[in-house]
Amino acid sequence: SQQGEEDPQALSIQEGENATMNCSYKTSINNLQWYRQNSGRGLVHLILIRSNEREKHSGRLRVTLDTSKKSSSLLITASRAADTASYFCATVDRDDKIIFGKGTRLHILP
Amino acid sequence: EAGVVQSPRYKIIEKKQPVAFWCNPISGHNTLYWYLQNLGQGPELLIRYENEEAVDDSQLPKDRFSAERLKGVDSTLKIQPAELGDSAVYLCASSLSSTYEQYFGPGTRLTVT
Repeated sequence: SQQGEEDPQALSIQEGENATMNCSYKTSINNLQWYRQNSGRGLVHLILIRSNEREKHSGRLRVTLDTSKKSSSLLITASRAADTASYFCATVDRDDKIIFGKGTRLHILP
Repeated sequence: EAGVVQSPRYKIIEKKQPVAFWCNPISGHNTLYWYLQNLGQGPELLIRYENEEAVDDSQLPKDRFSAERLKGVDSTLKIQPAELGDSAVYLCASSLSSTYEQYFGPGTRLTVT
């Protein structure tokens, strides 16, 4: 079963534009994590945001968390060709159970 | 610092044959995960270890899958017998604890023919 549902499933934008992807979940969480996976490669951790946090930044990445709406968003500013990848959210619930979403496939157009 | 190591990287077997995957986590990481990832999907947890104890194996098909983490370090995931539907990428990850970020290995791509 998958708790996190990313939206949109696929996104194509021009290089230099901002990309926003969303994640919705169903149960109370301990934290929410975002990962990136380049084609045919392993997953790389991007940001972890805890349930008592509302926003975190890391370089060109900004993650928000709204626990009342059970949703999170990942914003990538000034996108680059190297940002082309699949992005997954993963929730860790109160029992430390982790569930990944199906991902958003981001394509940066030159 | 060395990352998570997995072997083999690729494996092709015939159905009904056994297969085993090996994972060496990052040194000092107490939590180890095994995932299955199908094409175009997110990783699905098979089993999570805290040191040598399997604390979440609810998604592990126990009739054919088994795993062990002896001495709380390396881990092995086994499938016996393999079925066509087991073709997927098997990922291993480790973390300091279950509330911290995970570090993933490159995965083992299994093809069952």
